Amino acid sequence: GEDVEQSLFLSVREGDSSVINCTYTDSSSTYLYWYKQEPGAGLQLLTYIFSNMDMKQDQRLTVLLNKKDKHLSLRIADTQTGDSAIYFCAELRAAGNKLTFGGGTRVLVKP
Amino acid sequence: NAGVTQTPKFQVLKTGQSMTLQCAQDMNHNSMYWYRQDPGMGLRLIYYSASEGTTDKGEVPNGYNVSRLNKREFSLRLESAAPSQTSVYFCASGGEGGFQETQYFGPGTRLLVL
Repeated sequence: GEDVEQSLFLSVREGDSSVINCTYTDSSSTYLYWYKQEPGAGLQLLTYIFSNMDMKQDQRLTVLLNKKDKHLSLRIADTQTGDSAIYFCAELRAAGNKLTFGGGTRVLVKP
Repeated sequence: NAGVTQTPKFQVLKTGQSMTLQCAQDMNHNSMYWYRQDPGMGLRLIYYSASEGTTDKGEVPNGYNVSRLNKREFSLRLESAAPSQTSVYFCASGGEGGFQETQYFGPGTRLLVL
């Protein structure tokens, strides 16, 4: 089973904000990542957050981390049709340098 | 910089055939990784190499072997392909420490085993 969990699907209208949620189980996680995968392509790093931070903003992207609840979210402001993709959260655990990925959230942006 | 490159992009094999997936990176990273991606399961680590000359098993190593040929190249071999190995395979490099823990991914190899 997955130690990192995400909802499967999110539909949003163009121009609205999208919020993608992720929960993880390992309290020793050092970094948490959001990757984007467009159809037929590899994973593209969007942003990351260090575990001692609770928020990070990067242009249209805002990452919120609630370490107590082990909850990570990615907010995309002013969502565009080009944001349609699968979004993966991943955690890097303190032991070793291996990433554990969630199953991905497919985001569909409707015009 | 090309980043992480993978060949081939797509391959069809018959059960029992063997093949090697190639991966190369030009970012001078010490660490390299092989993942497989199956629908709804995210990416699962097959093998990784923390540095040239070392390899370690990941979450799903059975049926695979790897070779870290040099710092740039990390290959994945299927000795006797099975239909359960139909998947998309991604190579990644990075994970050096600090904010450089970030892993960078190749475009993937789509493998179909009949």
